[in-house]
Amino acid sequence: EVHLVESGGGLVQPGGSLRLSCAASGFTFSSYEMNWVRQAPGEGLQWISYITTGGSSMYYADSVKGRFTISRDNAKNSLYLQMNSLRAEDTAVYYCARTRGSGWYDFDYWGQGTLVTVSS
Amino acid sequence: DIQMTQSPSSVSASVGDRVTITCRASQGISSWLAWYQQKPGKAPKLLIYAASSLQSGVPSRFSGSGSGTDFTLTISSLQPEDFATYYCQQANSYPFTFGGGTKVEIK
Repeated sequence: EVHLVESGGGLVQPGGSLRLSCAASGFTFSSYEMNWVRQAPGEGLQWISYITTGGSSMYYADSVKGRFTISRDNAKNSLYLQMNSLRAEDTAVYYCARTRGSGWYDFDYWGQGTLVTVSS
Repeated sequence: DIQMTQSPSSVSASVGDRVTITCRASQGISSWLAWYQQKPGKAPKLLIYAASSLQSGVPSRFSGSGSGTDFTLTISSLQPEDFATYYCQQANSYPFTFGGGTKVEIK
């Protein structure tokens, strides 16, 4: 069974940094492109980042470009999101999500999410 | 960026009702559209991909249609477990944008 488990969320001050992790199991992690999607409290879904299977290519939403970095370690079946220069508007639940297959950009499995709160 | 506009933003319906949600893309996306269901405090769940293909395990009362810029999600006979928020997402090009959501509420 496919499982994605996020960790690393918490309370951080504006301008601070946080690193999120997503532990994957139940599938061949190295064969799937991965994403981070966030949801601010009471709001809709926002895709923020994507990474290819080998980690050679990454895409970002404009709202996080230059501040967030997606990466992966296929040997550890793990996905990461390094978040720097955090702002109040980055407060959200962050989900890792698997793309359904190569060349497909919809998301068939999601983690339970980890809450990031940016506040002084 | 491709903008995704859903309507209505909320709908009140009764068990057994037929419910239709629409999603419009700001430019053509062929059939690169997905629909998700999200319940409070839970992660989204993929229902439909490629505009009309039912994800494995999803009940057949859910169906999707459309191509280009206009898409619909239909629930043929609403069940108690279907009360949730539904999102469309364009899977054509990044950034992979979502619609604003449609909340299906109990009438």
